[in-house]
Amino acid sequence: NAGVTQTPKFRVLKTGQSMTLLCAQDMNHEYMYWYRQDPGMGLRLIHYSVGEGTTAKGEVPDGYNVSRLKKQNFLLGLESAAPSQTSVYFCASSYADVYYEQYFGPGTRLTVT
Amino acid sequence: AQKITQTQPGMFVQEKEAVTLDCTYDTSDPSYGLFWYKQPSSGEMIFLIYQGSYDQQNATEGRYSLNFQKARKSANLVISASQLGDSAMYFCAMREGQVRGAQKLVFGQGTRLTINP
Repeated sequence: NAGVTQTPKFRVLKTGQSMTLLCAQDMNHEYMYWYRQDPGMGLRLIHYSVGEGTTAKGEVPDGYNVSRLKKQNFLLGLESAAPSQTSVYFCASSYADVYYEQYFGPGTRLTVT
Repeated sequence: AQKITQTQPGMFVQEKEAVTLDCTYDTSDPSYGLFWYKQPSSGEMIFLIYQGSYDQQNATEGRYSLNFQKARKSANLVISASQLGDSAMYFCAMREGQVRGAQKLVFGQGTRLTINP
């Protein structure tokens, strides 16, 4: 039981490049989330999904796209990376009927130069 | 306006002492949930404790307790008998709206707690 995993752990991009971050969970959670954490700040919600094939915008969705083609996976895409997207990205997941906890992945540290 | 405010950027406490980390929140929704997470230097987010807006009693989980004062809109985390391993960033977070549904958490800026031996 790996919980929530994220791939890759680290990545350096040049401005304008694209990439996809993969989040996978093996707990059969219905809900999945992407957050970003900038230095010295708390996490901010980018996008989330309440089920396979559904996605919705969070607090800071601009510049990102997401997809959830399979229940266990949630992908975060950056089509044209900008230095402002330098951050640590966390994926999380939760059960639909358990309202008091999200399980977080280990994070992906992304640097855009 | 910030929905979650943590006014203590850093705190230093002697080992074995109790420590209180402050959190105030702002919402007009009668249904909400308050969370505390710990983030050690390794970076992962560790869930500590949860308090629902309709819960009558303060939440407790081992050495952690949540001092919930609804009228004052505060949800302070109390750690009893602090240990060196408690040194970390601590985040308060809030979920507004119904219990069921996506937990769209809003986080505070965090408090860095350092436990001195």
